[in-house]
Amino acid sequence: GAVVSQHPSWVICKSGTSVKIECRSLDFQATTMFWYRQFPKQSLMLMATSNEGSKATYEQGVEKDKFLINHASLTLSTLTVTSAHPEDSSFYICSARRTGRSNEQFFGPGTRLTVL
Amino acid sequence: QKEVEQNSGPLSVPEGAIASLNCTYSDRGSQSFFWYRQYSGKSPELIMSIYSNGDKEDGRFTAQLNKASQYVSLLIRDSQPSDSATYLCAVNISNTGGFKTIFGAGTRLFVKA
Repeated sequence: GAVVSQHPSWVICKSGTSVKIECRSLDFQATTMFWYRQFPKQSLMLMATSNEGSKATYEQGVEKDKFLINHASLTLSTLTVTSAHPEDSSFYICSARRTGRSNEQFFGPGTRLTVL
Repeated sequence: QKEVEQNSGPLSVPEGAIASLNCTYSDRGSQSFFWYRQYSGKSPELIMSIYSNGDKEDGRFTAQLNKASQYVSLLIRDSQPSDSATYLCAVNISNTGGFKTIFGAGTRLFVKA
């Protein structure tokens, strides 16, 4: 149980295009999902908290108009990187919190984005 | 002071030894603590969670929690080369409207064959 999927696993795009990444909890409902970014040899950086049915909460320094988050259902959250630039190239990882006493987070496999 | 602190390492241990990973946190009200393992180029994987003071064992892994001292540790017995990874400590801290999970920067572990 507690499986989280992400799609696509990797994407290469041209500068200026937009990229959508999907995050799904496959066998549990997740009212809260998280989006992280990780640059090579650096730690996880929380970008935003995605709540089903409401607006996402962005961390300081993260542009909400550039990183659009939609949490349309209890099992799906999407991150759209708009007008991507080479500096947005990174490893994007989502996680889903399983509600209940444990409140554990389970991570998706990540999406490696390369912007040319 | 960072909310969750870990020694970045690398921590190097010989195969078969016990690896000890430590983590301290700042929020005294924290109730939930987690250890994740992250292999290079992969996403983190939950390996242990602990909520009460004391030890919690799962196979070769033992998590230890001391809320009074605000530290949580992970022991890996009979370390294997496949245990070589970055280990992330995570703590739920109080936040407006609920709580959020804060991750430490991770400790890199190398197990030498």
